[in-house]
Amino acid sequence: DSGVTQTPKHLITATGQRVTLRCSPRSGDLSVYWYQQSLDQGLQFLIQYYNGEERAKGNILERFSAQQFPDLHSELNLSSLELGDSALYFCASSVGYRSYEQYFGPGTRLTVT
Amino acid sequence: GDSVTQMEGPVTLSEEAFLTINCTYTATGYPSLFWYVQYPGEGLQLLLKATKADDKGSNKGFEATYRKETTSFHLEKGSVQVSDSAVYFCALNGGSNYKLTFGKGTLLTVNP
Repeated sequence: DSGVTQTPKHLITATGQRVTLRCSPRSGDLSVYWYQQSLDQGLQFLIQYYNGEERAKGNILERFSAQQFPDLHSELNLSSLELGDSALYFCASSVGYRSYEQYFGPGTRLTVT
Repeated sequence: GDSVTQMEGPVTLSEEAFLTINCTYTATGYPSLFWYVQYPGEGLQLLLKATKADDKGSNKGFEATYRKETTSFHLEKGSVQVSDSAVYFCALNGGSNYKLTFGKGTLLTVNP
């Protein structure tokens, strides 16, 4: 158990809908990272937050957004969902904004039908 | 940009066989290198890491050495067990970026 929690574990929704994925980092970690794992793209970095502020952006679509709250939990919002958004979404956390080690949550499996 | 190339799978071995999974990388600066493991239905777990050239990371019988001259970080284990069956990901954390860049993963199946 990494100490990173993610909810929900599974999510099934229809095209065009909007969903919110939630992540709580390990106790004491200030950075949260979001990754998408799909069969064709592999594991791709989406976005990083550190202590409530966006620090780095990767291959994140404009339909996707994220935020980190004062209690350090983070939410990833996915809107206007398409079939191709079906994937595993992982959250990871680390102590600082420039940390060598990241600890991953169990992931949220999103299925768009 | 940063990239990681690891050997295509799947890899199927018998118990107690020797394992090597090759990993090479391209990065600017001096990246840190990692191996993560993903067991079926679970998230990624950090298996081992190395932060500078010639460092050897080791954990649970697995080893990998950071070779700057060949830009490689090959994963090895002398005697695999059925419980080692999983997907293994090589990753790097670049010097100027804090995200992890992953290889495509290698599925290892160990048969009794």
